[in-house]
Amino acid sequence: QSVLTQPPSVSGAPGQRVTISCTGSSSNIGAGYDVHWYQQLPGTAPKLLIYGNNNRPSGVPDRFSGSKSGTSASLAITGLQAEDEADYFCQSYDSSLRGYVFGNGTTVTVL
Amino acid sequence: EVQLVESGGGLVKPGGSLRLSCAASGFSFRSYTMNWVRQAPGKGLEWVSSITPSGSYIHYADSVKGRFTISRDNAKSSLFLQMNSLRAEDTAVYYCVRQYPYNYSPDYFDYWGQGTLVTVSS
Repeated sequence: QSVLTQPPSVSGAPGQRVTISCTGSSSNIGAGYDVHWYQQLPGTAPKLLIYGNNNRPSGVPDRFSGSKSGTSASLAITGLQAEDEADYFCQSYDSSLRGYVFGNGTTVTVL
Repeated sequence: EVQLVESGGGLVKPGGSLRLSCAASGFSFRSYTMNWVRQAPGKGLEWVSSITPSGSYIHYADSVKGRFTISRDNAKSSLFLQMNSLRAEDTAVYYCVRQYPYNYSPDYFDYWGQGTLVTVSS
């Protein structure tokens, strides 16, 4: 199983706010490593969505925001839109494994 | 425009070998650490290996250590992954990924190729 734990799925109506958690441990997020988030639209490669816990690359709407506290991080999508239906993955580094680690992924469904 | 184009995937029998290639363009390839990240069908992402710009430092996930070898040719802006002793659990889409030298830790992956499918089956 993945080192970082995410809920398998979340859903919301258009316009609503949804959040995705990413829970780690003292060897990754809790050790102070930052968290990055990726969006994977159906049938495409992952795309960088949030870097450094809460920074958006150019072109990413400000509806997407991130946060980190303790051994966990969260991604929030406000004003949910149909085009936000995708899989979302968190990423960090694990000092015990000495490698980059991903969350198991969360599927966002717009009702 | 940054482009990463993978090739070399296909069907291979358990115990067999395959060599993946990634052709990079649109940026100074020799200046970036590069990675392979894979995704099994219907599953999540798994980091496989990374190589620094000069090739001096190489890292592997435990799941592929001793079986996979990453390399690069900076003159040809190309990244490679030699996969030996393949197993059914290596079946996945393999992505070529550029690593951005973030000021803090860890670095993040800012550009991804479209991926190439490797299927290990008898």
